[in-house]
Amino acid sequence: DAGITQSPRHKVTETGTPVTLRCHQTENHRYMYWYRQDPGHGLRLIHYSYGVKDTDKGEVSDGYSVSRSKTEDFLLTLESATSSQTSVYFCAISEVPSGNYEQYFGPGTRLTVT
Amino acid sequence: KQEVTQIPAALSVPEGENLVLNCSFTDSAIYNLQWFRQDPGKGLTSLLLIQSSQREQTSGRLNASLDKSSGRSTLYIAASQPGDSATYLCAVRRADKLIFGTGTRLQVFP
Repeated sequence: DAGITQSPRHKVTETGTPVTLRCHQTENHRYMYWYRQDPGHGLRLIHYSYGVKDTDKGEVSDGYSVSRSKTEDFLLTLESATSSQTSVYFCAISEVPSGNYEQYFGPGTRLTVT
Repeated sequence: KQEVTQIPAALSVPEGENLVLNCSFTDSAIYNLQWFRQDPGKGLTSLLLIQSSQREQTSGRLNASLDKSSGRSTLYIAASQPGDSATYLCAVRRADKLIFGTGTRLQVFP
C-alpha cells in the first residue's frame, strides 16, 4: 500500500469553527489531492497540488483552502465549517512516471459538522 | 464538461458468476481510465489503469477494456467470490485531474 496517512480519522465539530485536515505521504510523490465523497455525488475534487507551494482549485473549492509547505504534507482547511461540509474527505497522491499517473488514496477522514 | 456514469448502481449475484460492470464517459479526450475498489468505511484501492492507447488490462480475475471512441469501459470479474463484495468506481483522467463515476455496489453471496 502507498504510504498515505490522514489525520484525524474522525472529527465532530460545530458550525462556524475552523477545521484543518492533514494528509501525510512517505512516497515523495509530486501530486497531492483532496476529494470529498458524498452519497449520490461520488468523489469530487476540492483542491490539488502539483508541487510545494503550487496548488489549484478543483470543482468544489468554495469554503476550502489548502497549503503545502513540504512535499510530504498537504493540509485542507475549512475556514468556518458549515453543515454542508459534513462528508468523508480523501487525500490522494500520484507521480507522473511516463505519464502513468495512477492515483493512490488514503484511508479517509469522516467529518461531521453539527 | 466530462460526465462519468456507472451502470448498474447496485448488483447482487451468487458466488461463481462472471460479472460485467459498465462505465461510460461523455468526452473521449482522456489520458487514461482507472478502476478502483472501495470497501465500506475504507479508502480506494486501485485495481487497473488503462492508458488511452490501450484496449485492455488484466490482473488476475479482473479484466478491464476501454473503447475511447464510444466512451465506454467495462470491468469483467471472473468467477466472483464473496470477497469481491465492494463498491467499484471508475475514473477518467483529463489533464491533472480524475473525474469519478458514482460507482457500482456489488454484493456476492455464497
